[in-house]
Amino acid sequence: KQEVTQIPAALSVPEGENLVLNCSFTDSAIYNLQWFRQDPGKGLTSLLLIQSSQREQTSGRLNASLDKSSGRSTLYIAASQPGDSATYLCAPRDFNKFYFGSGTKLNVKP
Amino acid sequence: GAGVSQSPSNKVTEKGKDVELRCDPISGHTALYWYRQSLGQGLEFLIYFQGNSAPDKSGLPSDRFSAERTGGSVSTLTIQRTQQEDSAVYLCASSPSATLQFFGPGTRLTVL
Repeated sequence: KQEVTQIPAALSVPEGENLVLNCSFTDSAIYNLQWFRQDPGKGLTSLLLIQSSQREQTSGRLNASLDKSSGRSTLYIAASQPGDSATYLCAPRDFNKFYFGSGTKLNVKP
Repeated sequence: GAGVSQSPSNKVTEKGKDVELRCDPISGHTALYWYRQSLGQGLEFLIYFQGNSAPDKSGLPSDRFSAERTGGSVSTLTIQRTQQEDSAVYLCASSPSATLQFFGPGTRLTVL
């Protein structure tokens, strides 16, 4: 069974910092990998999707990389803002299912 | 509708009662997923529907859990004889294909 680990579990940074969230997974036979953010009391919002054949995806200030062979993905957030405060979830996918990590809870202080 | 909707948003029930949770996916999305998130835990896959194929039920934690998807659209997750450990947020997601999933706001279930 796929096991997903996200480090750190929590992160607090001042506004404007660049930061990296780490995700590792045990089974490299994935179809794709998706990063989500979860805001308190709300559902999940998809941020980026990386196909297994890709190395990275970018959307605005977000950049996600994937090293499938080593079972790692990183989410890079540039010039962080207070509105980025949320829990970030990494989810590698096999054919049918996403497997979720426990997330990194990010707090960006003004 | 514009997104995935779920009802009710909150459900409080007594131990031993049955509950039904509803998900309305985005129109035209062929795939539908149910997940749950227990307090302090990560998201746990429950069940996956894809078109007219037999659903992938491998994530259902016990035979008290079942789900239907009628007409390839609306889905209902039923929990029979609820237990306190069933308390969680139940999330539904839909997808047009094996790509991005769009999540609903969830149903918070509390079993007293």
